[in-house]
Parts: sequence; C-alpha cells; structure tokens
Amino acid sequence: SQKIEQNSEALNIQEGKTATLTCNYTNYSPAYLQWYRQDPGRGPVFLLLIRENEKEKRKERLKVTFDTTLKQSLFHITASQPADSATYLCAQGNAGNMLTFGGGTRLMVKP
Amino acid sequence: NAGVTQTPKFRVLKTGQSMTLLCAQDMNHEYMYWYRQDPGMGLRLIHYSVGEGTTAKGEVPDGYNVSRLKKQNFLLGLESAAPSQTSVYFCASSYGTSGYEQYFGPGTRLTVT
Repeated sequence: SQKIEQNSEALNIQEGKTATLTCNYTNYSPAYLQWYRQDPGRGPVFLLLIRENEKEKRKERLKVTFDTTLKQSLFHITASQPADSATYLCAQGNAGNMLTFGGGTRLMVKP
Repeated sequence: NAGVTQTPKFRVLKTGQSMTLLCAQDMNHEYMYWYRQDPGMGLRLIHYSVGEGTTAKGEVPDGYNVSRLKKQNFLLGLESAAPSQTSVYFCASSYGTSGYEQYFGPGTRLTVT
C-alpha cells in the first residue's frame, strides 16, 4: 500500500535560516501533495498544494517542490521566524481518493 | 463563519461506555471526514462522507459508526469504547476531493480508561 513518510525527528534551526522539511512516498506517484501546519492543541491548517505536473510552488516565504524521480517533496520556509515553530504535515492524494497523511515533522525555530 | 466546530473538546470514558462526537461546518461543503491522530502515527481516516445521507469507511473504521443526516453535520459514534480508542479526533470538511484543501476542526481529546 502507498505510504508517505516524514522525518519524525524534530528540526531545530536558527531564526533567519531556511528550514527544509522532507516528505517521501513509496510506490506510485500521487496526483498531488498537500502541506499543512499544525500547532499544539489545534487542527491542521492548509498551506500549499502541488500537483504531479508541477515542479515548484511558492507562497510568500514558503516553497514546495515535487520530484517524481526521487519520490519526494521538499517544503522550504525561508527567513524562518520563531512563529514558524509548529508541526508540518505532508499529505498525498489521487483523483477520487482520500488524503493519506504522513506523521509530521516538528520544526523549532530558535531566536 | 465558524468554519468547522467539534463538540465536546475533551471527554473521559470508561471501557464499554458509548458516546457521540459532533462535527458541524458552515461552509456548505459536500465532503466531511473523521480522523484520529496518535503520536507518531499521523492522521488516519476513520470514515468519510461525500454528501448528505452517504458514508464510507476509511483506513481504520472498526469500532466506530457515523451518520450524515444533515449536510452540515457529521456524527462519529463509539458504541463500546476501548482503551485503544484513546486518541485525538479531528473532523474536517472540503468542497471536493482531487486536491481541494481540507478544513479541520479544533479536535476532541478522548481518553478511555
């Protein structure tokens, strides 16, 4: 079955640096990937969608890439701030199917 | 716009008790979902609904039932709670599938002793 994997270890970076989070999938390439942010005690909030035929998507300080050869998506936050500290979830989906979420990666941005 | 709301926020049950979690959305979304989130496991889909009066099983449906009598409401029931159902439960809704973003509620923390 299709799996989606994220680094379960927390990522600690210094304020102002670029944070890069990884999402890997197995087997077939999903039609799209979504990234969500989740703060403690709250529900996930949608950030970005990238489709299979797109290499890169940007939104303000956020950038997502989709590499079907490596079976991987990278999520970048440039000029990171302490307010960016949260858990980031990757989810994959195909037409007509429901989303499958990864376990999330916790990001800590230190001032 | 309240978005997606869930009640209750917290609940403690004893093994064998039953309860219903209520999810409501005011965005006129067709699709609604129930997930559970456990440490290190990510969000796992329990049941979902593609419209009023329809429901379908997700990845982990055993021990749960759902109903969608009204478009804006999606109920998750536990008929006989077990400790393995201790988790945080999230409801979500979306306009469609195939890339549409999901809007999540604040979650319900359920403990079964």
